[in-house]
Amino acid sequence: GAVVSQHPSRVICKSGTSVKIECRSLDFQATTMFWYRQFPKQSLMLMATSNEGSKATYEQGVEKDKFLINHASLTLSTLTVTSAHPEDSSFYICSARDLLRDYNEQFFGPGTRLTVL
Amino acid sequence: TQLLEQSPQFLSIQEGENLTVYCNSSSVFSSLQWYRQEPGEGPVLLVTVVTGGEVKKLKRLTFQFGDARKDSSLHITAAQPGDTGLYLCAGPRGNWYGQNFVFGPGTRLSVLP
Repeated sequence: GAVVSQHPSRVICKSGTSVKIECRSLDFQATTMFWYRQFPKQSLMLMATSNEGSKATYEQGVEKDKFLINHASLTLSTLTVTSAHPEDSSFYICSARDLLRDYNEQFFGPGTRLTVL
Repeated sequence: TQLLEQSPQFLSIQEGENLTVYCNSSSVFSSLQWYRQEPGEGPVLLVTVVTGGEVKKLKRLTFQFGDARKDSSLHITAAQPGDTGLYLCAGPRGNWYGQNFVFGPGTRLSVLP
């Protein structure tokens, strides 16, 4: 149990275009999902916390208008990188929390490698 | 601000050796989690420690939570090449509903055959 999927696993896009990344909890309901980015050889940096049915809470320094997060259902959250630039190239990872299981634990997706040319 | 530090940053050892990596903070955490991440993949949860002084074992991995719940250690006995990866500790911050997680910088372990 507690499987989280992400789609796509890899995406290459041109500068100025928008990219949408999906995060799905496959066998549980995720009241909260988290979006992280990870640069090579570095740790995970939390971008935003997304609660189902409400607006996402963004970490300091993360542009809300650039990284649009929608958590419309208990099993799906999406991250849209708008007007992508090469500096947005990174590994984006989502995680989900099942409040019925343990609010101390989060389960991660496999990540999405974004490359902006 | 709750921060987590990890040491060492890098560790390269021979198969069969023992090792310990550390996760430290100046803040008290209600729990700490340990993850292992392999290149190009998401982190995989290894264990959650909750009680101060708690020791948990997962095959050759032994996790300990400090008495004051400010630090944790991960000890690997007889390391194998399959243990290679990035080991991350993480802790919750904030209240129950608005809670999110802070990660340490990680320890990159390489076990050579």
